[in-house]
Amino acid sequence: GAGVSQSPSNKVTEKGKDVELRCDPISGHTALYWYRQSLGQGLEFLIYFQGNSAPDKSGLPSDRFSAERTGGSVSTLTIQRTQQEDSAVYLCASSPTGVNTGELFFGEGSRLTVL
Amino acid sequence: EDQVTQSPEALRLQEGESSSLNCSYTVSGLRGLFWYRQDPGKGPEFLFTLYSAGEEKEKERLKATLTKKESFLHITAPKPEDSATYLCAVLNAGNNRKLIWGLGTSLAVNP
Repeated sequence: GAGVSQSPSNKVTEKGKDVELRCDPISGHTALYWYRQSLGQGLEFLIYFQGNSAPDKSGLPSDRFSAERTGGSVSTLTIQRTQQEDSAVYLCASSPTGVNTGELFFGEGSRLTVL
Repeated sequence: EDQVTQSPEALRLQEGESSSLNCSYTVSGLRGLFWYRQDPGKGPEFLFTLYSAGEEKEKERLKATLTKKESFLHITAPKPEDSATYLCAVLNAGNNRKLIWGLGTSLAVNP
């Protein structure tokens, strides 16, 4: 079956532009996570969606970052007025039940470069 | 503060040369410790979950063990295809939504 799908795989943008990153989780997975991975840093939690509950947005680094999940499936991470420090790989992961099982299924990531 | 430290940062082995990777942690009540493998340009791939000290899990040439302060990922007779970055993450009792990740060990196995 299909895994977690992310698009675009690569995005180069200019400072100040807005970008949207898309994640299509595994069908039936209720939990969805966004992480950011930068060189020399561990995976940084951004946001968590679980079913119909209010998302946990506590990891979003600034109000330029937002995410939504429509219909309990596809999610979009939006970064407004991008800055050079936003350059990183953005990873989406889904899970059938949540992180307690420890088994998250990751996509291949969207590499964002802000010039 | 909850923390996960992996060592070494990088390891180069000859094919067949067994070794171990370390993940030491400081958390306020461990709910689980997880090992993942990450290949270049890919997302992490789940390997093991360990829940309590003394627990062991095995998969092919890999064996993960857990004590109250650290976990080891033992690699027996590695092959070049085992080359990857191995990530460790922990889940603490106070926060059941966010894994705390180490920086990983980059493993290269030479033929």
